[in-house]
Amino acid sequence: NAGVTQTPKFRVLKTGQSMTLLCAQDMNHEYMYWYRQDPGMGLRLIHYSVGEGTTAKGEVPDGYNVSRLKKQNFLLGLESAAPSQTSVYFCASSFRASGSIPGEQFFGPGTRLTVL
Amino acid sequence: GENVEQHPSTLSVQEGDSAVIKCTYSDSASNYFPWYKQELGKRPQLIIDIRSNVGEKKDQRIAVTLNKTAKHFSLHITETQPEDSAVYFCAASANYGGATNKLIFGTGTLLAVQP
Repeated sequence: NAGVTQTPKFRVLKTGQSMTLLCAQDMNHEYMYWYRQDPGMGLRLIHYSVGEGTTAKGEVPDGYNVSRLKKQNFLLGLESAAPSQTSVYFCASSFRASGSIPGEQFFGPGTRLTVL
Repeated sequence: GENVEQHPSTLSVQEGDSAVIKCTYSDSASNYFPWYKQELGKRPQLIIDIRSNVGEKKDQRIAVTLNKTAKHFSLHITETQPEDSAVYFCAASANYGGATNKLIFGTGTLLAVQP
């Protein structure tokens, strides 16, 4: 049981390049999330998904796109990378809420992205 | 939308002392308040959480208190040990009709436990 995994672990891009970050989970979670973590700013939600084929915007969605074609995978795309997107990206997943009780979010190991 | 403020940003204590980290939230609909610990270079991991129908929860040396009226919650670590050194994040979630588990995080507290 690998939990939540992310690829790649590190990446360096030049401004204007594109890339896709892959998140995979084997816990059969319905919900998946992408966060970015910057010094002094905590974790900010980029996009999330409440099920296969559905996505929604979070706090800081601009410059990113996502897709959830399979329940276990959640992809984060940068179409034209900018230096402001230099960050550590974390994926997370959880079960759906049970009544009004949210499910615990489990995080992946992170991807460190540098845009030059 | 929800806004979470966390204080202090850094905290240094002597081994064996207690540490307290405080958070306030803005959305009275928030009903779930987790605390995550993140060691250097690692992923955030849940250490304790509290639901809005409970005022206090304790797990060994860690406790969390919630004051819904004042909209603030706190993490208490007693008998601190060097391995408690990490960044701690509070978060608040509002469950909108059961559709999402969105979490809004505080900006983190770097806790350093001096041996």
